[in-house]
Amino acid sequence: DAGITQSPRHKVTETGTPVTLRCHQTENHRYMYWYRQDPGHGLRLIHYSYGVKDTDKGEVSDGYSVSRSKTEDFLLTLESATSSQTSVYFCAISAIRDRVGYTFGSGTRLTVV
Amino acid sequence: DAKTTQPNSMESNEEEPVHLPCNHSTISGTDYIHWYRQLPSQGPEYVIHGLTSNVNNRMASLAIAEDRKSSTLILHRATLRDAAVYYCILRDVGSGGSNYKLTFGKGTLLTVNP
Repeated sequence: DAGITQSPRHKVTETGTPVTLRCHQTENHRYMYWYRQDPGHGLRLIHYSYGVKDTDKGEVSDGYSVSRSKTEDFLLTLESATSSQTSVYFCAISAIRDRVGYTFGSGTRLTVV
Repeated sequence: DAKTTQPNSMESNEEEPVHLPCNHSTISGTDYIHWYRQLPSQGPEYVIHGLTSNVNNRMASLAIAEDRKSSTLILHRATLRDAAVYYCILRDVGSGGSNYKLTFGKGTLLTVNP
């Protein structure tokens, strides 16, 4: 969607390698989120950020770390990729006030072989 | 987090209205009711949200029960492009800045027949 981009769109990586996914926004929104989506589980929150250098864990944070050094970028890192982390990853942004909804990116399809 | 209950699936015919129900009996006073939808192979898309009063926008209408324990998303004339999974989510904005999270359930799969 306009204002939020994810990169890469697709990635295949080997087990044990580190992987970083990038979420970039041009909306200057305070809140940013990383979700993963798997068949049978729906969307699950991994980590989120409520400001520069302010992050917190979601419900499925094990094996993932995040960083946000500036407002526009939120990075998700898989320290040592495993096959269980094969998934579609979505980034989302939200303004501080509840006058607008979340805006989601188009997703990154990650395959760990 | 307050939870929502939605039917797993619903079916509609093209150009007919669709009423998607959502129960949220444990809703708190600071919970906004959000609706999102996810088309095949796409990220979720914001549809509408509200707190107490009914809401309308170009995509849909949201009818909220007087006791706020249930709500209904109304698509006035379904099209084939409305076939998607629809999520009803409660967003608590009463706990301060770190708690602006959306928790997704399984949603309702809407099938639209031509």
